[in-house]
Amino acid sequence: DGGITQSPKYLFRKEGQNVTLSCEQNLNHDAMYWYRQDPGQGLRLIYYSQIVNDFQKGDIAEGYSVSREKKESFPLTVTSAQKNPTAFYLCASSNGQARETQYFGPGTRLLVL
Amino acid sequence: QKEVEQNSGPLSVPEGAIASLNCTYSDRGSQSFFWYRQYSGKSPELIMSIYSNGDKEDGRFTAQLNKASQYVSLLIRDSQPSDSATYLCAVKRRTGRRALTFGSGTRLQVQP
Repeated sequence: DGGITQSPKYLFRKEGQNVTLSCEQNLNHDAMYWYRQDPGQGLRLIYYSQIVNDFQKGDIAEGYSVSREKKESFPLTVTSAQKNPTAFYLCASSNGQARETQYFGPGTRLLVL
Repeated sequence: QKEVEQNSGPLSVPEGAIASLNCTYSDRGSQSFFWYRQYSGKSPELIMSIYSNGDKEDGRFTAQLNKASQYVSLLIRDSQPSDSATYLCAVKRRTGRRALTFGSGTRLQVQP
């Protein structure tokens, strides 16, 4: 099956802890994205990567970090600097061309203990 | 002004009626427009994309784009209770950041 997988489905973070959310795709897409969604809100862009070993900050990058060492993988780390991390995190990918359509993974819900 | 604006709703329509969802955007250079459907607790799924002025039909869905008015809409014909969800409008700029900008979504309720 081709698609985007995210793990875990639920993640609990203790205060002061860094946590990493996994995102893997087997669609051979060049571009990958991380969004955050708060209840009743739209999606806000955290980071995106158009190509391996390169990534750009989105609108709300503070308190987050990413890496793109492989085309298939784009993990997101929520650091202790992110003071309000409780949200639904969505990973997406696209083929990176001009009329690119983004496809989403199932999401990870992060909760603070 | 938000880059992409949608009425949050809820928009309530009876089963079998036409639901009309609207979206305006501020960047006149935007080139690609998308409608996603999101069920509660789930991730967005693509319904339609539109790139040129006019209408684009796919089954019960019709997307309409008017670049001069910076307006894109989604019509759902013969609405079903299973269409009840939040509909997200997304826009891609012609230049600059190559990620989508999303509206906050319109919640649609189809009453049986």
